Formats: sequence, structure tokens, C-alpha cells
Amino acid sequence: KAGVTQTPRYLIKTRGQQVTLSCSPISGHRSVSWYQQTPGQGLQFLFEYFSETQRNKGNFPGRFSGRQFSNSRSEMNVSTLELGDSALYLCASSEAPSGGGNEQFFGPGTRLTVL
Amino acid sequence: AQSVTQLGSHVSVSEGALVLLRCNYSSSVPPYLFWYVQYPNQGLQLLLKYTTGATLVKGINGFEAEFKKSETSFHLTKPSAHMSDAAEYFCAVTFTAGTALIFGKGTTLSVSS
Repeated sequence: KAGVTQTPRYLIKTRGQQVTLSCSPISGHRSVSWYQQTPGQGLQFLFEYFSETQRNKGNFPGRFSGRQFSNSRSEMNVSTLELGDSALYLCASSEAPSGGGNEQFFGPGTRLTVL
Repeated sequence: AQSVTQLGSHVSVSEGALVLLRCNYSSSVPPYLFWYVQYPNQGLQLLLKYTTGATLVKGINGFEAEFKKSETSFHLTKPSAHMSDAAEYFCAVTFTAGTALIFGKGTTLSVSS
């Protein structure tokens, strides 16, 4: 099976712009979670989608949003980019919703740089 | 509040030496515990996990971890370090279904020859 894929791998934007990141989960996985990784804050949970419904949301401003399509692919959008949004954004997929010991499989991430 | 603490942001060992990476969690409910490894410019790969049952868990690449409820710990060990073990290691915890993974800050492991 192919792993989790994320596109693009690298992205450079300027402040005020918006960006959309894409994640394709492992075939058969219906849960997709998004994480932000920065040197200062580490790995922080953004949100999780399961069967096109947002099940859980982390403590991020409303500028961060996401959605999931019927084929389980997910997109994450960040509007009005700020310098502090520069980070590695990781997507993870699993067969079942997170929690309860379910394993999440991570993609390689999208490196976003905001200038 | 539930949290994960990794003691030591950077650990250095010699090739062939014991690897010990420390992880403590804070929780009022039974945890499910994970160790992930991240190589440069890559995503996270699961090393091992504890759900229920045997408290000594064996994972990939010769790593193992022991869940100690009384100490709220889940330390990761490997008897003999290899150069290829150099990476960043993350301890994570989750709880009942529907709860997100909570990660520690990570520990960078360096292995010298």
C-alpha cells in the first residue's frame, strides 16, 4: 500500500496570503489528522476529520481550517498568513478515529515558509 | 491537565552503548502510549505502542519500552546504539476514542563512533 502523501512538500508564501495543503491518506483509512510542528512549540494538534466530519479540533485560531472529501483526501487552509505560521505541517491517517490506541501513519509533511 | 514530558532535549551516546530516552506522562485516566521516530525531512514513524496487557513492549529496530503506572513513565531503551539510530524521538499519549495525540517536545539522539 502506498503511504500517506502530502503536497506540496515545500511552499513559500508572504504574510497576508492564504495557502492550501493537501493530504492523501492510506487507502482504506477514513481518519485524517493534521499537526503543526515548530522548533518552539513542538508538535501540536490542529484537527481531525473522519468520514468528512470534523471530530476534534486543537487550540488554533479560526484562520486554520480544513475539510475532508468523500474519498478521504483532506485539505488544510490557512488564511491571512503570519510569520509564526512557518512550520512543518504533518498529516496522519488511520483506519479509525484517533484515541484508544489506534495507530496513526504520518506523511512526510509540507514545509511552509512565510516571508 | 494531560501532558507528556520528555526529560532531556538532547541525548548523546557512543555506538554500541545503551540508549535510554525518558518519558513521563500526566493523566487521571488510563493512557495509551506511543514512541515515534523522525529522521530529517521525514514524517514520524511508529516505533512501538502500549495499549493494554504486557507492560514491556517491543518495537522495531531493537527498541523497547516499559509502562510503569506507579511512576507514570514510559521510557524507551535500546541495548546497543547504532549510527542509524540518530534521529529525533517523540513520546506521545492518547486516551479514549476521540482524543487526539499529545506529544512531548522530543529528544534528539546523537550517536558517535
